[in-house]
Amino acid sequence: DTAVSQTPKYLVTQMGNDKSIKCEQNLGHDTMYWYKQDSKKFLKIMFSYNNKELIINETVPNRFSPKSPDKAHLNLHINSLELGDSAVYFCASSPGGETQYFGPGTRLLVL
Amino acid sequence: AQTVTQSQPEMSVQEAETVTLSCTYDTSESDYYLFWYKQPPSRQMILVIRQEAYKQQNATENRFSVNFQKAAKSFSLKISDSQLGDAAMYFCAYRSHRLGGAQKLVFGQGTRLTINP
Repeated sequence: DTAVSQTPKYLVTQMGNDKSIKCEQNLGHDTMYWYKQDSKKFLKIMFSYNNKELIINETVPNRFSPKSPDKAHLNLHINSLELGDSAVYFCASSPGGETQYFGPGTRLLVL
Repeated sequence: AQTVTQSQPEMSVQEAETVTLSCTYDTSESDYYLFWYKQPPSRQMILVIRQEAYKQQNATENRFSVNFQKAAKSFSLKISDSQLGDAAMYFCAYRSHRLGGAQKLVFGQGTRLTINP
């Protein structure tokens, strides 16, 4: 069974569209994260939730909105997609502040 | 703010040989965690090894070991008996010991490791 799963794995869409990426973890962890990996492979934190409460919100455009319906899920909704949003988005989870375990990533391509 | 630097964009090693990947970091904190993650072509981020700053003993995981030099703020990864499956991007990462907004991972730029048969 996959510990941290993301859907979809690949997402190709047009500029201006709205899309969502879903993340689920079955590890019982309290904290979940979204990271963005750009075309140069650089990884950077976007958001983090602890028990459904937002605790990290980096300088991310307002078009990105995370939602945590429960402790096991953290979804990422992106409005009005732009070319620069093309990247790989990783979800991760951790028990409190401990080691983070990553999902398989979602490759987003905006045309 | 903390920063992590990996000065080797690419490294290569012969199969069965040993290779060391470098990582330096900058922080004013005394307690923190350091990690090495591996990202093979499958894109999955896999934890390789972890080190707590308060522990003087270097962490080891089978063929993987670290050389943690706290005063020098250096955290290198040594891979012994390199195998073809070790080929990947390797990322060094820092995490504060503090919780809340500080528990994000700060990553280095990555080092692409090639294993030559």
